[in-house]
Amino acid sequence: ETGVTQTPRHLVMGMTNKKSLKCEQHLGHNAMYWYKQSAKKPLELMFVYNFKEQTENNSVPSRFSPECPNSSHLFLHLHTLQPEDSALYLCASSQYRGQNTIYFGEGSWLTVV
Amino acid sequence: DAKTTQPTSMDCAEGRAANLPCNHSTISGNEYVYWYRQIHSQGPQYIIHGLKNNETNEMASLIITEDRKSSTLILPHATLRDTAVYYCIVRVVGGSEKLVFGKGTKLTVNP
Repeated sequence: ETGVTQTPRHLVMGMTNKKSLKCEQHLGHNAMYWYKQSAKKPLELMFVYNFKEQTENNSVPSRFSPECPNSSHLFLHLHTLQPEDSALYLCASSQYRGQNTIYFGEGSWLTVV
Repeated sequence: DAKTTQPTSMDCAEGRAANLPCNHSTISGNEYVYWYRQIHSQGPQYIIHGLKNNETNEMASLIITEDRKSSTLILPHATLRDTAVYYCIVRVVGGSEKLVFGKGTKLTVNP
């Protein structure tokens, strides 16, 4: 248990579907992150949110739409994805200041068919 | 790009110490050394971090050279459950500075 919970753990979706990944952190943090890990590739940062405001978008295609309604919740809305978007999507959180170690959730495995 | 260099893979016998090296020759004065590991199909797990002094916690020890250009993560008594990819990352602390992951070291602990 890391205090960062992701749902669903596994998701299969068609290319025309719309789905969402959810992340919730119980650590009192105020920064949240989405990372993507494709097969045999290093983790890639997608988005960073600080105090609910997006502070970084790492050139992510618009078919991925993040939402951060409060400091404890982060969503990744998915629509018209491609098979190459199949990957492990990881959420993480940290404090914004101080010894702000980043803690990860267990990830959501996404398969686009 | 990742600012660290690690061996691609290492093996260790169960019960022995696992020493994982990392080179970070371009590290800045305000950058910390972080270690994470990722067991297959799971999210990365934080292990330890340090600035310039050696650090120890319940999971591991971190030895940083005096010039801070390299470090070693030590798992004192490796078990089969320590088989994972280990990532060494340098990162500024204080804001929401991201973690930039490289390819890491695949550690295999053998019975």
